[in-house]
Amino acid sequence: DVQLLESGGGLAQPGGSLRLSCAASGFTFNNYAMNWARQAPGKGLEWVSAITGSGSRTTYSDSVKGRFIISRDNSRDTLYLQMNGLRAEDTAVYYCARENPVPAFDIWGQGTMVTVSS
Amino acid sequence: EIVLTQSPGTVSLSPGERATLSCRASQSVRSSYLAWYQQKPGQAPRLLIYGASSRATGIPDRFSGRGSGTDFTLTINRLETDDFAVYYCQHYGSSPLFGQGTKVEI
Repeated sequence: DVQLLESGGGLAQPGGSLRLSCAASGFTFNNYAMNWARQAPGKGLEWVSAITGSGSRTTYSDSVKGRFIISRDNSRDTLYLQMNGLRAEDTAVYYCARENPVPAFDIWGQGTMVTVSS
Repeated sequence: EIVLTQSPGTVSLSPGERATLSCRASQSVRSSYLAWYQQKPGQAPRLLIYGASSRATGIPDRFSGRGSGTDFTLTINRLETDDFAVYYCQHYGSSPLFGQGTKVEI
């Protein structure tokens, strides 16, 4: 089965850091660009960041640019999101999603909750 | 910067009825970059429609999408109880963007 499984969420203090991981299985990971999206409690979806299949190019939303770093390890079929300088407004469920060439996000993980609070 | 506006915010319908959801872009967008997702409480989003009108794998033909330019529509025929959820449109641009969602409630 094609699957994405996030981990690494939890409670962080304002200004702190967390690193999210997304383990992929069931497909050739390096053939696909990957994305992170998030959803604040009771709110809609917000795209966060994307990375190409090779990892050579990354993009970020304005809300996280300069604070978050997306990366991938194709030898481990794993996507990462390093989150630094966390703010209360970063509190959300974070999803990783596979980007197919259509383009659309065709496979999503189950999400991992990040709470930023003192 | 493109803005996607979905309407209505909430629609109340009964099983068996038809739902018509709108997604309006603030400027003309490529139809091939317009997608629709379904999200149920506590679950991840699921891709329904891509390229404005193509159904994703496993999506029943009760779901259909259409539109071009700035106006796009998701239609759900013969609503089933499993269809009551929140629906998001998305434009895939340099910064992928989601609409604010439409809740389809019983």
